[in-house]
Amino acid sequence: DIVMTQSPDSLAVSLGERATINCKSSQSVLYSSNNKDYFAWFQQKPGQPPKLLIYWATTRESGVPDRFSGSGSGTDFTLTISSLQAEDVAVYYCQQYYSNPYTFGQGTKLEIK
Amino acid sequence: EVQLVESGGGLAKPGGSLRLSCGGSGFIFSNAWLNWVRQAPGKGLEWIGRIKSKPDGGTTEYSAPVKGRFVISRDDSKNTVYLQMDSLTTEDTAVYYCSTGLYFDFWGQGALVTVSS
Repeated sequence: DIVMTQSPDSLAVSLGERATINCKSSQSVLYSSNNKDYFAWFQQKPGQPPKLLIYWATTRESGVPDRFSGSGSGTDFTLTISSLQAEDVAVYYCQQYYSNPYTFGQGTKLEIK
Repeated sequence: EVQLVESGGGLAKPGGSLRLSCGGSGFIFSNAWLNWVRQAPGKGLEWIGRIKSKPDGGTTEYSAPVKGRFVISRDDSKNTVYLQMDSLTTEDTAVYYCSTGLYFDFWGQGALVTVSS
């Protein structure tokens, strides 16, 4: 199984400041035949289902504010929120959809400082 | 607008069974790959299974903890995917979500399954 490890487990950032969450996979999720990373980021607010933010590691889902961006390839990935807003308070999960089982990271709780 | 609505959750006894349904609308259901993901109380997300569209073979995949106990099926005429859960244990207590596609782009609100004696 591919193990997804997020850091940090929790993060407090001031409004308007940058928030950065990292995710490392135990093996590469880059599929060589199409040069795509099978990797996504999700946001989950309390009492709500997860919401897809980023897929193919860097592609922003339709309707997601452009302050959210994804970077990285292979085994190391980053989610950046360029200017934290109050509505961004949530738990963020990374996930690989490269191979069964399609594993998630343990989650990073993002709060306002 | 894409909508997914899970139903069938509730209380089951250890060793018992439960069937969840997930109805979809706002997209071409018959072409969709459908996933089930669960979240135990206060815990993270766990993928448990997927069914591909019939044009893509209609095959199913499962995670190790549920393989042999859970079965995913679909009825495209009813725009519904099912999760049959047998031999339930307390470890299966969770909110169960259905989600579409290769990269889980849409999610239902979830159905709570509680396994307790």
